[in-house]
Amino acid sequence: KNEVEQSPQNLTAQEGEFITINCSYSVGISALHWLQQHPGGGIVSLFMLSSGKKKHGRLIATINIQEKHSSLHITASHPRDSAVYICAVRSGTSGSRLTFGEGTQLTVNP
Amino acid sequence: DAGVTQSPTHLIKTRGQQVTLRCSPISGHKSVSWYQQVLGQGPQFIFQYYEKEERGRGNFPDRFSARQFPNYSSELNVNALLLGDSALYLCASSSLGSSAELFFGEGSRLTVL
Repeated sequence: KNEVEQSPQNLTAQEGEFITINCSYSVGISALHWLQQHPGGGIVSLFMLSSGKKKHGRLIATINIQEKHSSLHITASHPRDSAVYICAVRSGTSGSRLTFGEGTQLTVNP
Repeated sequence: DAGVTQSPTHLIKTRGQQVTLRCSPISGHKSVSWYQQVLGQGPQFIFQYYEKEERGRGNFPDRFSARQFPNYSSELNVNALLLGDSALYLCASSSLGSSAELFFGEGSRLTVL
């Protein structure tokens, strides 16, 4: 079993739909990252959180430390949101060593 | 300010050859980490360097090595290339600390034939 599990692996939505991507992890962490990767390969950090909830524009990330679970929500989805979304965790003593999930391929159709 | 820069962006090698990938971190960042991302999978941690010292190593063979220079740039070397080394190699920079934000480069896509 991977230390970081994401679901779903693939997600297709219509423009305007509310989207949720889930991440569960099995290790103690100091921080959890949500990352976005476009087809060119570069990765952009969307959120880093260790508790509670963060919001940036149409994106919301939540984390429940007790349940070892995080969710990424996209409100009013748009075709430009199409990308791979990756959850990654950092354990307390690992410096910048991240353990990644397999990613969720999101496609938003117009 | 320039972000994390990696070079080359794409390269093709044959089995048995050696490759060197380069990474320049964001100005002021002293920590560089390297990741390998095979097509269709999430990235895997290879190395972390801070202040020119190795601070962490993932589960990769000794064919993989890295170093960090006084200006905090870094090189990843892979010897005796195998077909399975074909991947996107990502570099990330940060300041040190478990709460430090990570910034990724665009990656170097290596194809081994």
